[in-house]
Amino acid sequence: DGGITQSPKYLFRKEGQNVTLSCEQNLNHDAMYWYRQDPGQGLRLIYYSQIVNDFQKGDIAEGYSVSREKKESFPLTVTSAQKNPTAFYLCASSMTGVNTEAFFGQGTRLTVV
Amino acid sequence: AQSVAQPEDQVNVAEGNPLTVKCTYSVSGNPYLFWYVQYPNRGLQFLLKYITGDNLVKGSYGFEAEFNKSQTSFHLKKPSALVSDSALYFCAVRDMRHGNNRLAFGKGNQVVVIP
Repeated sequence: DGGITQSPKYLFRKEGQNVTLSCEQNLNHDAMYWYRQDPGQGLRLIYYSQIVNDFQKGDIAEGYSVSREKKESFPLTVTSAQKNPTAFYLCASSMTGVNTEAFFGQGTRLTVV
Repeated sequence: AQSVAQPEDQVNVAEGNPLTVKCTYSVSGNPYLFWYVQYPNRGLQFLLKYITGDNLVKGSYGFEAEFNKSQTSFHLKKPSALVSDSALYFCAVRDMRHGNNRLAFGKGNQVVVIP
């Protein structure tokens, strides 16, 4: 089954802890993205990567970090520097052409307790 | 900046009536536009896209969208709404500035189809 898988579906974090959200795809896509979704604010881009070992900051990168060591994987770390991390996080992937749509995972809901 | 705007927060429509979800865009160069749907606590599902060619684009689940260059709009439409169409709808645009390849989203429209 081809697709993009995010884990875990729900994640609870204590204040001051770092947590890592997993994103794996078997679509052979070069580009991968992380978005944050908050009610009424749509999707905001955190980081994206167009190729292995390269990534760029999006609009709200502060307090987050990523790596892209393998084509299939693009994990997101939410660090203790992120002041308001409670949100729904969405990972996506696409081919790199302008006419290509992105495919999304099912999301991870992160809650700080 | 490459961006899209979805001016309405919520769209209410009776089952069986036509559904329209509005999107306007602001781009430099050619627009590459997309519509997605999101059900509660799920990821986004692709509905359709406009790249070039016919202004009327047909997509999944009976949805279509009309590209209008003079009005810089890309409204999503469905001739007869179903209760199961109740969801959050997002318009998006490819942002190719500075050699990058981003996908920028609008804030979303909640669609409520009333039985």
